[in-house]
Amino acid sequence: DTEVTQTPKHLVMGMTNKKSLKCEQHMGHRAMYWYKQKAKKPPELMFVYSYEKLSINESVPSRFSPECPNSSLLNLHLHALQPEDSALYLCASSRDSGYTFGSGTRLTVV
Amino acid sequence: AQSVTQLDSHVSVSEGTPVLLRCNYSSSYSPSLFWYVQHPNKGLQLLLKYTSAATLVKGINGFEAEFKKSETSFHLTKPSAHMSDAAEYFCVVSPRSGRQLTFGSGTQLTVLP
Repeated sequence: DTEVTQTPKHLVMGMTNKKSLKCEQHMGHRAMYWYKQKAKKPPELMFVYSYEKLSINESVPSRFSPECPNSSLLNLHLHALQPEDSALYLCASSRDSGYTFGSGTRLTVV
Repeated sequence: AQSVTQLDSHVSVSEGTPVLLRCNYSSSYSPSLFWYVQHPNKGLQLLLKYTSAATLVKGINGFEAEFKKSETSFHLTKPSAHMSDAAEYFCVVSPRSGRQLTFGSGTQLTVLP
């Protein structure tokens, strides 16, 4: 298995909702990442997990809460989001210099 | 510290003509360099990567890139553009031993019939 799988592919949520994004990989990669990508822009790093521990948080608002339950799974819990949080959320994993990206979750906050 | 500059935000070519997407990097160490492609509403697909071996790197779909340390460049080329190549392309740099990716601002490639 050489893929990073993200679910759901699309998500529409209200500003008072709580939802979660899921990311899964079975390549044995020990680093996993969340990126946020706005239209016509490059991805922006949000969080890095290394060996299931949060190693980097790029000053992301607390309405985004990451979780790494095990070495294959990465979640992003969402609560009280704003319309400007609408974006493509990409998960990635890596080992040495080999990175693999998922196809993303397109999030719309209404 | 590291940075990436993609010199063109938009490139337009005719189908069957060569493609050149330019990328310059800055790094205080020996970097790894990547080109990713992103089709509309899709994730990032790796085209090719340079780590430390041959300076001419061949990737998927006929793309290749040459690492030129003296010019701090890693330009992406393809001899003959296809309609399916129309997409956003990102040049990316990272430390060879590290995990932080730094993205360029992207180049939108349009292929005209």
